[in-house]
Amino acid sequence: KQEVTQIPAALSVPEGENLVLNCSFTDSAIYNLQWFRQDPGKGLTSLLLIQSSQREQTSGRLNASLDKSSGRSTLYIAASQPGDSATYLCAVLETALIFGKGTTLSVSS
Amino acid sequence: EPEVTQTPSHQVTQMGQEVILRCVPISNHLYFYWYRQILGQKVEFLVSFYNNEISEKSEIFDDQFSVERPDGSNFTLKIRSTKLEDSAMYFCASSREDSLNQPQHFGDGTRLSIL
Repeated sequence: KQEVTQIPAALSVPEGENLVLNCSFTDSAIYNLQWFRQDPGKGLTSLLLIQSSQREQTSGRLNASLDKSSGRSTLYIAASQPGDSATYLCAVLETALIFGKGTTLSVSS
Repeated sequence: EPEVTQTPSHQVTQMGQEVILRCVPISNHLYFYWYRQILGQKVEFLVSFYNNEISEKSEIFDDQFSVERPDGSNFTLKIRSTKLEDSAMYFCASSREDSLNQPQHFGDGTRLSIL
């Protein structure tokens, strides 16, 4: 059974710092991997989708990588801002999306 | 930008009662989903729906649950005979195509509280 794990569970950084969020999954037979952002009391916002055949995707200050063989993905956030404070969720697609528990990021000004 | 809308934002119901959670997916989307998130736990897949029928469902989605697209715009989740453990945030999502290539777009959720 697929398990998705995100480390760390929480992270606090000062504004301007570059940071990396980690996601690991136990079964490499996935169609794609997606990173979402969840703000308190809100739904999930899709940030990046990486196909299983791809190695990385970039959107603005965000860069996500995928190493399917080792079951790992990272989300790199450059020059963090207070507005980046949120919970970041990783999810892999098999027949349905399977989510990790998320990393709660706090960026202080 | 078009978005998925869910109503109500918060629903309080007595145990044993039936509830219907409502969603309006993005208008040109063809695939629809329900998820739930129990407080402090992971987001869990419940069901996916395409072409007026269920395409996938999880172990959670038992006979207590049903989904319907009663018209061209709404997508509903019905929970019969609610239990305390049904208390959770329920998210609706939609995608234009199969999720192999397109991200799912989520609504802001309905917080369901069973008393």
